[in-house]
Formats: sequence, C-alpha cells, structure tokens
Amino acid sequence: DAGVTQSPTHLIKTRGQQVTLRCSPKSGHDTVSWYQQALGQGPQFIFQYYEEEERQRGNFPDRFSGHQFPNYSSELNVNALLLGDSALYLCASSLKGTMANIQYFGAGTRLSVL
Amino acid sequence: GENVEQHPSTLSVQEGDSAVIKCTYSDSASNYFPWYKQELGKRPQLIIDIRSNVGEKKDQRIAVTLNKTAKHFSLHITETQPEDSAVYFCAASRTDSWGKLQFGAGTQVVVTP
Repeated sequence: DAGVTQSPTHLIKTRGQQVTLRCSPKSGHDTVSWYQQALGQGPQFIFQYYEEEERQRGNFPDRFSGHQFPNYSSELNVNALLLGDSALYLCASSLKGTMANIQYFGAGTRLSVL
Repeated sequence: GENVEQHPSTLSVQEGDSAVIKCTYSDSASNYFPWYKQELGKRPQLIIDIRSNVGEKKDQRIAVTLNKTAKHFSLHITETQPEDSAVYFCAASRTDSWGKLQFGAGTQVVVTP
C-alpha cells in the first residue's frame, strides 16, 4: 500500500518563473492538503482540496493555486516565484469525515528559487 | 485564527532520561491535537494524537496529556533512545475545519548516548 507520494523531490527555479508540484494521496484517501515548510519552522497550511474543489485556504496569496483530479491526486501551482517561496512543500492526505484531521504526509518537494 | 506555541525549541537529554515538550493553543474550539516526528530530510510522521474528550493517551514510551481548561498539551517520551533524536511538532485542529492543522514551530530533540 503506497503512502503519500510527491514529485519532483527537488526543483530549482528562478524568480518570476512558475512551478507545478504533484501529489498522490494514500490509497483510500480523498482529501489533499498542501503545506509550506520554511527552514527551521513548522508547516504552514496553504489550502485543502476535496471533491475537486478548494475547501479551505490559509494566508497565502493568489499566486498559489491548486487542483484536484478525479483520482484524488493534486497539483500545487505557484506563479511569479519570489525568493521567499523557497521552502519544502508538503502534501498531506486524509479521509473526509470524523477522521479528516488525521493527515499523512509525503516526503515533500524542496523548491529553491534563485 | 488558531495560534500554537511550542517550547522548548531545543532539548538535549541523556539516553534513558525523559523528554517533555509543551504546547499551548489559543482557539478553545480546537479538539484534535497530533504530534509529528520529522527526521532530517524525511516526512513528518504522526506518532501520537489526542482528542479533546480524553485527558491522556499512551503508546509504549510515548504519552500525550491535554489540559483543555489551560489550553495546553504535552508530549512525554520516557527511556529516550538515540533514534528518538528528531524535530517534534505539535499541532491543533478543529474537526469542523476540514482538518486544517496549525503547527507549532518545532522542538529539536537530541538524545546523547
């Protein structure tokens, strides 16, 4: 049973570029959340997708957008990259309902913006 | 919104001793409190969690306590081992919030043999 998988593992971009990160949830899960983890800090909630719709959003600008596909996988897109977007981007999956809080994380995508 | 504070930021313990990490939260409606362990370069791993209808939960050498009145919860690791060395994060969530987790800043635990 595969856990949460993310791709790519590492990415280097320059300021102003756009990036797409991908996530496949744990088998049986239907909800995907994205978090940004800056070096030495705790993960910060970006947004969450369920039934292909964004259900909740954290304090992130519109440059951050996402998508969920019918197979529950998800993408995170960041436009007009800034140096401050350099971070580890984590995807977490869960199952809607009373267990929605129990989230399992992928290994993340390390994004470096130069 | 919810704010979670975590202390200490670093913790050094001798192998075999106990380690305690404390977190406070601000939103009295929060009712789910997980703890994650993150080793260097690896994913955050859920190690234990507690819901607001219980005050304590144990799993082998790990225990979590919750004080709803004071809005704080703690992670206790007994008989620490070198493999317990990692960064530990507490988090808080509301079951009506689609599972959004608000994390603390983390505690770097170093267990020395």
